[in-house]
Amino acid sequence: GNSVTQMEGPVTLSEEAFLTINCTYTATGYPSLFWYVQYPGEGLQLLLKATKADDKGSNKGFEATYRKETTSFHLEKGSVQVSDSAVYFCALSDPIDSGNTGKLIFGQGTTLQVKP
Amino acid sequence: DGGITQSPKYLFRKEGQNVTLSCEQNLNHDAMYWYRQDPGQGLRLIYYSQIVNDFQKGDIAEGYSVSREKKESFPLTVTSAQKNPTAFYLCASSIAWRDNQPQHFGDGTRLSIL
Repeated sequence: GNSVTQMEGPVTLSEEAFLTINCTYTATGYPSLFWYVQYPGEGLQLLLKATKADDKGSNKGFEATYRKETTSFHLEKGSVQVSDSAVYFCALSDPIDSGNTGKLIFGQGTTLQVKP
Repeated sequence: DGGITQSPKYLFRKEGQNVTLSCEQNLNHDAMYWYRQDPGQGLRLIYYSQIVNDFQKGDIAEGYSVSREKKESFPLTVTSAQKNPTAFYLCASSIAWRDNQPQHFGDGTRLSIL
């Protein structure tokens, strides 16, 4: 079945460091891919998305490119801030061409800690 | 402001008791979802509803029940049959279940056992 695998955390960085959080997926067809962020005690917020191969999603300095050939959607940011400390979830939705139900399949989440 | 409201924020359940978690949205979204989040894990789908008066089981539906009588409301009942209910419960909605629309989430309800 469809699945998402993220790098294990926590990831601890100093402020202004470069961030990469790896995400790979297994799916038939062409799923849409998402990154969500969860701050402590809150629900998830959509960070960015990409709906087809080679699309680049971007928001608030974060970027991720849909790589069909490597089945990956790695999250990157050039210079992290303390306020970026949160849990980041990679997710995919059922491909439209395989009976899309709108369900999201999530990775296990990666905790990011940014120190001043 | 449009959004999803979950209540209560914290909920305690006694043994053998059913409890109901509220989820209301004013985004005019057709689809709604319930997820369960356990520490250090991703979200797992409990139930989802693609349209009013219709819902389907997700991956971990046993011990839970839902209803979708109104477009804006999708309450989740955690029954006494759910033996390990302690978790963070998240409700979400999307414009439509097709077209891979992103889901919008509420702030969650944390359920604990007394």
